[in-house]
Amino acid sequence: SQTIHQWPATLVQPVGSPLSLECTVEGTSNPNLYWYRQAAGRGLQLLFYSVGIGQISSEVPQNLSASRPQDRQFILSSKKLLLSDSGFYLCAWRKLGSGSTTDTQYFGPGTRLTVL
Amino acid sequence: RKEVEQDPGPFNVPEGATVAFNCTYSNSASQSFFWYRQDCRKEPKLLMSVYSSGNEDGRFTAQLNRASQYISLLIRDSKLSDSATYLCVVNGGSRGSTLGRLYFGRGTQLTVWP
Repeated sequence: SQTIHQWPATLVQPVGSPLSLECTVEGTSNPNLYWYRQAAGRGLQLLFYSVGIGQISSEVPQNLSASRPQDRQFILSSKKLLLSDSGFYLCAWRKLGSGSTTDTQYFGPGTRLTVL
Repeated sequence: RKEVEQDPGPFNVPEGATVAFNCTYSNSASQSFFWYRQDCRKEPKLLMSVYSSGNEDGRFTAQLNRASQYISLLIRDSKLSDSATYLCVVNGGSRGSTLGRLYFGRGTQLTVWP
């Protein structure tokens, strides 16, 4: 079965510090991978998605970046955090294929980031 | 206009009650529809997919009206454990559908009290 991991679970960082969040998927190959942010009381905002190694698409211009160095690894980074970067960061995967059921995305446990 | 709009709630109902959530979507080309459940401070989890003919999973019934671009979720005989936020989710249809782009509503909060 497939599992998705994220770490760390919780992070408190000062403004201006760097960020690196990691997401890994097990039990599947060549998944589509996604980074979302959920701010307090807000909906899910898609930040980045990736269809393969080294392929990243950005949805929202911001001071965050993403990388996919391996098939099942997805990293979210920032060189300098802002207060507005606080939120719940969720990684999700989707298996490739056709048909409506393959649109289902499965989420990792998330990283709760507080920028002070 | 937002891609997916939901009743904001919150809904506060007693155990055993029947509660219904509604959702509308803007993209008529959307092909896939889901309800996700999100517990407090946890990740969203798939509750059920929504099919054109309507579908039922135990106490949960989902319906889709393509003409009105409307999705509903009915929960019968509510349990305390049903307390959560319910997210209405729609795919992007012909726009980027090969990337599995999903659009999430903000969610409807449900609290079931004893």
